[in-house]
Amino acid sequence: EPEVTQTPSHQVTQMGQEVILRCVPISNHLYFYWYRQILGQKVEFLVSFYNNEISEKSEIFDDQFSVERPDGSNFTLKIRSTKLEDSAMYFCASSEARDRVRETQYFGPGTRLLVL
Amino acid sequence: LAKTTQPISMDSYEGQEVNITCSHNNIATNDYITWYQQFPSQGPRFIIQGYKTKVTNEVASLFIPADRKSSTLSLPRVSLSDTAVYYCLVGGLRAGGYQKVTFGIGTKLQVIP
Repeated sequence: EPEVTQTPSHQVTQMGQEVILRCVPISNHLYFYWYRQILGQKVEFLVSFYNNEISEKSEIFDDQFSVERPDGSNFTLKIRSTKLEDSAMYFCASSEARDRVRETQYFGPGTRLLVL
Repeated sequence: LAKTTQPISMDSYEGQEVNITCSHNNIATNDYITWYQQFPSQGPRFIIQGYKTKVTNEVASLFIPADRKSSTLSLPRVSLSDTAVYYCLVGGLRAGGYQKVTFGIGTKLQVIP
């Protein structure tokens, strides 16, 4: 069964450093998403992406964050200057755009980011 | 987006059927109801999705009454490996064609031997 993959599984970084989290969505999917989950809290939407453009972003997704689809398979989330409060599990998801009525998002296993 | 309310936690013995009900009074006409399962330190895993009436797949059933203001996820004969957090999500397509959903706190299901 096709699945979303994410690398690395764990990342430790110093405050102020840049990090890039990588995702490979399911191959025929067209919509891509990033979410984060701070330990013990709920999953929060960050951004959705389609056709090389951001479709929607949340208040969390400020100027420190950016997303990119650098090639035909990868989808990346960059945090320019990490803060302690960026420590969380980051999930990538993708959906197919199978029809124009509904979508199902499939999530990757996550990258645990720890900012020291 | 429609707000969802579901029990914070539930306990069940192995082998029993578990029903988790979610209320979503403000569900919009084009919203679908989707349930996800999440194990600790893993990504949410899609379980089932429906719009109205009943949907069944190999792992669960989803019951949605005619007014669609609630839904019930039914897990038949749970095992210890079903211990997880279960999320009820209500969302629909945006004009751009992407799906917008919002996660709540979820229901933490503990299966007891």
